[in-house]
Amino acid sequence: DAKTTQPPSMDCAEGRAANLPCNHSTISGNEYVYWYRQIHSQGPQYIIHGLKNNETNEMASLIITEDRKSSTLILPHATLRDTAVYYCIVRAGRTNAGKSTFGDGTTLTVKP
Amino acid sequence: DGGITQSPKYLFRKEGQNVTLSCEQNLNHDAMYWYRQDPGQGLRLIYYSHIVNDFQKGDIAEGYSVSREKKESFPLTVTSAQKNPTAFYLCASLTTGMSDTEAFFGQGTRLTVV
Repeated sequence: DAKTTQPPSMDCAEGRAANLPCNHSTISGNEYVYWYRQIHSQGPQYIIHGLKNNETNEMASLIITEDRKSSTLILPHATLRDTAVYYCIVRAGRTNAGKSTFGDGTTLTVKP
Repeated sequence: DGGITQSPKYLFRKEGQNVTLSCEQNLNHDAMYWYRQDPGQGLRLIYYSHIVNDFQKGDIAEGYSVSREKKESFPLTVTSAQKNPTAFYLCASLTTGMSDTEAFFGQGTRLTVV
């Protein structure tokens, strides 16, 4: 699985958009970008994933650059409950579920 | 409801004792994973299994053992050889054979060795 790089921490004002970057310059053609978040002392929660097109769901949007070497998770209107550690991982789909290696993630703090 | 269950939520053991953490899923998922998390750090992969009766070492397998006798179950044993076993342990599962799929996590077991 490709390695990812994320900033260790970010702050965001409540109600504003939170943009969390992730670099994955060694991503392979068959690897998807996944985002999870972990609220303190709980199991990580899936947010969104994508291959090369931008994706949006009820939680967030995922923007993947054309060369697929980086991506940005966007929380359009951050709330205090969005304070968590956000993990970006890359993993092949289909039968190659791979090792699903997580890094240290980005600690997002949403402030009132 | 389908899900992945880890038990117990908190576990205390004396140093030198083996301890087994339970992970059960009723999602019919093929792949299961065990991660360790230390305070302020990310998840590190201990073991994973893609099919019954087969499993692979992750990045920090030393001092741990697993079994996968049933699709639904993937117990993790923390042995006395693990030098620093106090940590938060997370189990995850996902299905394979599809083009893409997300992992589901349990709520974790916090192991404290005294």
